[in-house]
Amino acid sequence: AQSVTQPDIHITVSEGASLELRCNYSYGATPYLFWYVQSPGQGLQLLLKYFSGDTLVQGIKGFEAEFKRSQSSFNLRKPSVHWSDAAEYFCAADGGSQGNLIFGKGTKLSVKP
Amino acid sequence: NAGVTQTPKFRILKIGQSMTLQCTQDMNHNYMYWYRQDPGMGLKLIYYSVGAGITDKGEVPNGYNVSRSTTEDFPLRLELAAPSQTSVYFCASGGLTDYTEAFFGQGTRLTVV
Repeated sequence: AQSVTQPDIHITVSEGASLELRCNYSYGATPYLFWYVQSPGQGLQLLLKYFSGDTLVQGIKGFEAEFKRSQSSFNLRKPSVHWSDAAEYFCAADGGSQGNLIFGKGTKLSVKP
Repeated sequence: NAGVTQTPKFRILKIGQSMTLQCTQDMNHNYMYWYRQDPGMGLKLIYYSVGAGITDKGEVPNGYNVSRSTTEDFPLRLELAAPSQTSVYFCASGGLTDYTEAFFGQGTRLTVV
């Protein structure tokens, strides 16, 4: 069955430290891949997306993600975290068929001063 | 440009009551989606639509109905509210199969008591 796994439920990092959030997918073929961020009480905002081509994808707010086919992974990274990055992050994948966007369960990021 | 607008933002229902969650988008997107978000569970697709007059079930459609009479509007109907429908509901629009990501509304927090 198609699935998206985010192994870390909650991560705490210090402000200024680097960040990596993990995402693994299970699909028959390479899906479209997305990272969304959700601030408390808000909707989801797209950070970045991967459809094909360059495996290192740049997004908004200084985030990037790297697609690794061999590991079925699409990890999100940021070199220096800001307090405003505290939020919940969702990885999502779509197998290309309409209406089949599957989300991981999310990783909550806390940032300590 | 309003994007995706959901109303109401909050609602408390009694068991057995009915209500309609409204969703409208002004981006002329063909695709629209309804998700529910439960703590620690990510987002689950309820229903989706690929255009006016066309709807289909997602992963968790039981207890819900939708219609799509116009491109802009995609209301979600709860006929007989149950406590299991207590959740946060998100409407989204976009075109995943034409290289457009999903844009999300701000959500409706529904409590069934």
